[in-house]
Amino acid sequence: AQSVTQPDIHITVSEGASLELRCNYSYGATPYLFWYVQSPGQGLQLLLKYFSGDTLVQGIKGFEAEFKRSQSSFNLRKPSVHWSDAAEYFCAVGGDDYKLSFGAGTTVTVRA
Amino acid sequence: NAGVTQTPKFQVLKTGQSMTLQCAQDMNHNSMYWYRQDPGMGLRLIYYSASEGTTDKGEVPNGYNVSRLNKREFSLRLESAAPSQTSVYFCASSPIPITAGANTGELFFGEGSRLTVL
Repeated sequence: AQSVTQPDIHITVSEGASLELRCNYSYGATPYLFWYVQSPGQGLQLLLKYFSGDTLVQGIKGFEAEFKRSQSSFNLRKPSVHWSDAAEYFCAVGGDDYKLSFGAGTTVTVRA
Repeated sequence: NAGVTQTPKFQVLKTGQSMTLQCAQDMNHNSMYWYRQDPGMGLRLIYYSASEGTTDKGEVPNGYNVSRLNKREFSLRLESAAPSQTSVYFCASSPIPITAGANTGELFFGEGSRLTVL
């Protein structure tokens, strides 16, 4: 079965600074990987996904993520954060069994 | 465009009471899912329905039952609620089952149902 680890529970970043959220996965075959964002009181929204091909994927809201097979990682980045990026971010991994497994999430706080 | 609609949004139950969470999607998706979200644990899959007429257990199915009423609707029932079932419940749907062979995988989520069991 697949699993996901998000090592950082909470990150605080200044507005305009860069952001990187870490994600490590465990899966025996080639995974497909996702990042979702959850704003307070809302459901989850897909930021980006990786299935195959180019290991650097672009998503919505200026986010990107890089798949590194050798490190079993799929870290999310944004060059310059905005106050509206304050939210909880979830990494997820999928396999062949119709299910996505989610990490515990990273809460991002943006300070002015 | 409603997407995925869950009802109720909030509910308080006493231990031993039963209730059903309703979920409906208007996107003609084949697959539907129920997750629970608990602090520090992310989302855990309770049950899913890969297609109309099928349901399967996820990671944490104990204490729950589901019904795929038709293609649009997927309900989650707590027969005898326990305090451990206090959580936020999310329903989600996807166009086709999420497998490595399919270039999709996006789940569309409802806004959640906050359940408290006293």
